[in-house]
Amino acid sequence: DVKVTQSSRYLVKRTGEKVFLECVQDMDHENMFWYRQDPGLGLRLIYFSYDVKMKEKGDIPEGYSVSREKKERFSLILESASTNQTSMYLCASSSSLVRPQHFGDGTRLSIL
Amino acid sequence: AQRVTQPEKLLSVFKGAPVELKCNYSYSGSPELFWYVQYSRQRLQLLLRHISRESIKGFTADLNKGETSFHLKKPFAQEEDSAMYYCALSPGGGATNKLIFGTGTLLAVQP
Repeated sequence: DVKVTQSSRYLVKRTGEKVFLECVQDMDHENMFWYRQDPGLGLRLIYFSYDVKMKEKGDIPEGYSVSREKKERFSLILESASTNQTSMYLCASSSSLVRPQHFGDGTRLSIL
Repeated sequence: AQRVTQPEKLLSVFKGAPVELKCNYSYSGSPELFWYVQYSRQRLQLLLRHISRESIKGFTADLNKGETSFHLKKPFAQEEDSAMYYCALSPGGGATNKLIFGTGTLLAVQP
């Protein structure tokens, strides 16, 4: 069974801090994704990566960056956290075009 | 523009009643459509995809290209079906299968 692990379930940070959200998958998947999930807005894609060191902007990349140094790990970085980045963050991975995405448990991030 | 629309934020039905969760999409090509479900305190998981043409937990969904719809249906709702349901579209092609999600519909099945 595919395992997508997000390092923290809950995280509280302060405005202006640099925040790292980590995601690891154990199935050698090429594609990895970061979404944020907000009530009434559904899931919105922040960034995705289709190979090591490769990344593409999603629909709402502003204020975020990502890092994929190893195939199994995809990190989301908030360079200078702001209160409007308080949200649930979901990581997902998939093996190819025709395979569905598998999601982690999510990280609920609060920026005070 | 590529878009997925789920017009209902909340759908409340009684146990045993039929359920239809609406999903309409906007895409000029041949998309792949999915339904994802998130039960309380659980991770988001795939429920079904249109190319599989299968029934999962009694749910089915038919892709109607003429109406650009992919509604999720179940003839008799159960309390354990209560969850948040997301319709998603994958444009296909390219290097990756990024998904475009709708805003979600919360299904509440009353006893």
